Amino acid sequence: QVQLQESGPGLVKPSGTLSLTCAVSGGSISSNNWWSWVRQPPGKGLEWIGEIYHSGSTNYNPSLKSRVTISVDKSKNQFSLKLSSVTAADTAVYFCARKPMGATIASWGQGTLVTVSS
Amino acid sequence: EIVMTQSPATLSVSPGERATLSCRASQSLGSNLAWYQQKPGQAPRLLIYGASTRATGIPARFSGSGSGTEFTLTISSLQSEDFAVYYCQQYNNWPPSLTFGGGTKVEIK
Repeated sequence: QVQLQESGPGLVKPSGTLSLTCAVSGGSISSNNWWSWVRQPPGKGLEWIGEIYHSGSTNYNPSLKSRVTISVDKSKNQFSLKLSSVTAADTAVYFCARKPMGATIASWGQGTLVTVSS
Repeated sequence: EIVMTQSPATLSVSPGERATLSCRASQSLGSNLAWYQQKPGQAPRLLIYGASTRATGIPARFSGSGSGTEFTLTISSLQSEDFAVYYCQQYNNWPPSLTFGGGTKVEIK
């Protein structure tokens, strides 16, 4: 069974860049899945950020597209998120997730809290 | 952008009772609608996809129905472990994006 684990700094300064990595275990990142990022501000709902296929194809939430970059590292079986020019509004739990081709998000990492503060 | 609206925001139900949650889409989704359950401090868990198909391991007391713009999640007899927040999500407008509803919190009455 595929497992996902997020990692990265828990604190980012305003105007800086948030960087997270999701390690995929129990399966290949080159399988027929899209690899997604979703976030959840404290006490609020879920927001899809974007996703990547192992070929490098990406889709991004239009509301975040100008600040988001998602990349894949097949040699390490992981994918990454970069969100630039962050503000306090970007404080959230960030989840990585697996979305099988032609379907919706089927499994999730445990999530990691990122706080934007000076 | 497709807007997903869930109602009610909070549903108070006694254990053993039936719970009915609603989700409305601003555009037709066909059957490309999923439901997720989220408990405090945990990641969401897929319950239903294709509007009415239970995901692997999901108990039969969870059922989904609807198509187009109106969808329903029914929990036939609430168990203690079912008190959580439930989100609907559309994946018809993909690419480019997926969108979630605001959630319905099912609490103990």
